[in-house]
Amino acid sequence: QVQLQESGPGLVKPSETLSLTCAVSGDSISPYYWGWIRQPPGKGLEWIGYIYYSGSTNYNPSLKRRVTISLHTSRNLLSLNLTSVTAADTAVYYCARGANVPAAISWFDPWGQGTLVTVSS
Amino acid sequence: QSVLTQPPSTSGTPGQRVTISCSGSSSNIGSNTVNWYQQLPGTAPRLLIYTDDQRPSGVPDRFSGSKSGTSASLAISGLRSEDEAVYYCAAWDDSLKGVFGGGTKLTVL
Repeated sequence: QVQLQESGPGLVKPSETLSLTCAVSGDSISPYYWGWIRQPPGKGLEWIGYIYYSGSTNYNPSLKRRVTISLHTSRNLLSLNLTSVTAADTAVYYCARGANVPAAISWFDPWGQGTLVTVSS
Repeated sequence: QSVLTQPPSTSGTPGQRVTISCSGSSSNIGSNTVNWYQQLPGTAPRLLIYTDDQRPSGVPDRFSGSKSGTSASLAISGLRSEDEAVYYCAAWDDSLKGVFGGGTKLTVL
């Protein structure tokens, strides 16, 4: 049974880079999509982007200039980098596995437990 | 402002049937499939319905999904106290991004 575990700093200063990793256990990185989703405290879900096991990526246009999602296949790791953060980037960040079907009809299952990142000086 | 529109809240009594609506447009629900996620208090979302009306293994058949045109619905029959959660619809938008509804908080009275 696949399990996902996010990790990274819980506090990031404004203008710095938020870096998170997601460890995948119980299954291989291929042949799936791998996504990041975030949830500001008390608010709804926001899709950040995904990476296909082949390496192709797709990002939310509102974050595209600042976000990079990478796969480290040999270590079964997924990573997220978000540059020039502000308080608006404070959220719980989730990684999730996307089904191996075209993105337009895909879904996320399972999700990691999430990790809270606070942007503050 | 979410791309997909859901009512902020709904409620029901044990045993009742409730429905949650999700309204979109031709660029998302109208042309792609809809998924539903359940988020229990303090936990990560979990997949409840995929591809409009399919239930993953382990999801009770009290939960069902449907879609018509640019709208989708989640129905929960035989409501139970443990169904109290926030429910999100999701779809792919042809602007090349995933979109979520704002979430509907279900209260079991």
